[in-house]
Amino acid sequence: SAVISQKPSRDICQRGTSLTIQCQVDSQVTMMFWYRQQPGQSLTLIATANQGSEATYESGFVIDKFPISRPNLTFSTLTVSNMSPEDSSIYLCSVEPGQGNGYTFGSGTRLTVV
Amino acid sequence: KQEVTQIPAALSVPEGENLVLNCSFTDSAIYNLQWFRQDPGKGLTSLLLIQSSQREQTSGRLNASLDKSSGRSTLYIAASQPGDSATYLCAVSRGNQFYFGTGTSLTVIP
Repeated sequence: SAVISQKPSRDICQRGTSLTIQCQVDSQVTMMFWYRQQPGQSLTLIATANQGSEATYESGFVIDKFPISRPNLTFSTLTVSNMSPEDSSIYLCSVEPGQGNGYTFGSGTRLTVV
Repeated sequence: KQEVTQIPAALSVPEGENLVLNCSFTDSAIYNLQWFRQDPGKGLTSLLLIQSSQREQTSGRLNASLDKSSGRSTLYIAASQPGDSATYLCAVSRGNQFYFGTGTSLTVIP
């Protein structure tokens, strides 16, 4: 199955700034997914990123707040823009399942906004 | 909309005990069900994947079962160890959408 390198692993950011999270996959994948996990809650899908097209956002998430890039089949970034303390969460990327391999997730980015 | 529920929300057991974690889902039209482990502040580690045509999967001390008709899955952990302490999440998928349960926080007491 695919291996994902996600960075940074954690960061503490000032209110009003932006943070870009990167995910690098060791194989080519068509779709990548970005998730948020708020404290004490399960994962919520933010958006689905296909190479060569704009990301598809879930209800409650907008491109201006969470712009996503997908420049090629092995890499994607998620930016958390104009951050507030409510954005403090773990952010994870995931790739589409291979044949019988299930979903693979990055190790997550723990974001704290102060 | 698919809803995934995990019971119990938290579980504390003495080392060596066998235990069962439960996952239920409302829409049986799923492709896969996957169990994950999450350590505090970390991402997800895939434990077991059960495809919709399968009934169970085993890996070491872990065994997961799937009953689509009743919308249930169980994760059985044999001879629990303190290193098993983590949050366990189940997720069901259909097409490009998948849905996570809220997790069971497991503590194994030495």
